[in-house]
Formats: sequence, C-alpha cells, structure tokens
Amino acid sequence: DQQVKQNSPSLSVQEGRISILNCDYTNSMFDYFLWYKKYPAEGPTFLISISSIKDKNEDGRFTVFLNKSAKHLSLHIVPSQPGDSAVYFCAASENSNTGKLIFGQGTTLQVKP
Amino acid sequence: GAGVSQSPSNKVTEKGKDVELRCDPISGHTALYWYRQSLGQGLEFLIYFQGNSAPDKSGLPSDRFSAERTGGSVSTLTIQRTQQEDSAVYLCASSLRTSGSGTQYFGPGTRLLVL
Repeated sequence: DQQVKQNSPSLSVQEGRISILNCDYTNSMFDYFLWYKKYPAEGPTFLISISSIKDKNEDGRFTVFLNKSAKHLSLHIVPSQPGDSAVYFCAASENSNTGKLIFGQGTTLQVKP
Repeated sequence: GAGVSQSPSNKVTEKGKDVELRCDPISGHTALYWYRQSLGQGLEFLIYFQGNSAPDKSGLPSDRFSAERTGGSVSTLTIQRTQQEDSAVYLCASSLRTSGSGTQYFGPGTRLLVL
C-alpha cells in the first residue's frame, strides 16, 4: 500500500511561470514532510521541508503547503527556471526516532525556456 | 567537505552471485540509511543504522539482504544469490541526527544490474 503518492508522473511548464507539484499521503501519523530534487545519475538533494504542525514553509522561490485535513501537500516553484528541470520526490517521516523516510514515486518537471 | 560516497558506481552481475555495495557517510553523521530505487519507482527504505547498530531492518526484502556498519562509519550492503528483481539503484544517505527534521544527505548511488 502506497502511503505517499505523487499522482502526476510528469509536469511541463514555461520558464517564469509557476510549477505546482502535488503529493498525497494516507498515514495521519506522519510528522514531517520533505521534498527532494534529483538530477540524472545523482543522488536526491534536500530542497525544503515542513513540520506537520505548520501549514506553510517558504524558502526563496520554493514554498511548501500542507493541508492536513486533506492529507495533501504541494510544492510551488515561482518563478520556474530551466535549471529546476529534475525529478521531484515527496517524502514523509514515519518515525521521528529513526528519521526513516517514505517516498512517493516522483514527478518529472520540465521547465521550457 | 566530502559528501556521501558509494562504490562501485555501477555493478553488473550474474544471477546467483553475491554482491557487496559500500557506503562512506559524511564524517560525524551517526545515522545511516539504505534505500533502493527500482525503475520508475520511488525510493524504498531498506535499513537504518544508528552508530553500528541497526534498530530498523524492516525494509530488507528477504534474508538474502544484509548490512553492517563498522566504526560508526562505513557501511556495506550485501546481497546474496542475486536475482533479476534485485536490479535497482541502491542509495545510501547519512544524517547528523535521527529525526524527521534531520536532513538526509544522499550519495550518488550504485546501479546494480543482475543478468
């Protein structure tokens, strides 16, 4: 059973516009949510996170929104840049004592110049 | 400073052979994680180390998979009698602290292909 789902395998946006990547989860005990970015042949790199007690966290062009009642989070990138083209993984922390992460399947973002 | 390193970067093996994958975490990071990513899938948790002990091995797919960590540093993931379904990218990550808020830093991964 997939506890973290990214239902859109791919997304294409124009440079300068907003990119919105979505993620749904089923486990109400998740206490931390993270977004990772992955380029081909590289490991994922941490992008931004949010605690379950908050509903928004912003870092420069990146903002993560959390809707606990809907068990939904989203990553907004504005303005989008061609260098943002990568695979984006949503992840959730199941157990604060271990930091073990549960990942979604990923969304491939293409930002066109 | 050096990031997480993994070796080999690529490994091709024949079905039934044993393989060892190595991970060198960031110096000082006490937490170490192994994940794998099969084609078109997300990352799947395998095992977590705190120091040299493994409090959570719940993600290991079968008893053919084992891992150890020595000196609170280097970790080795061993797959015995490899099967074609073991083909995947095996990723190692380390973290300064074991909590959801502790950022995990990933290595580049080992791409394993079992023929």
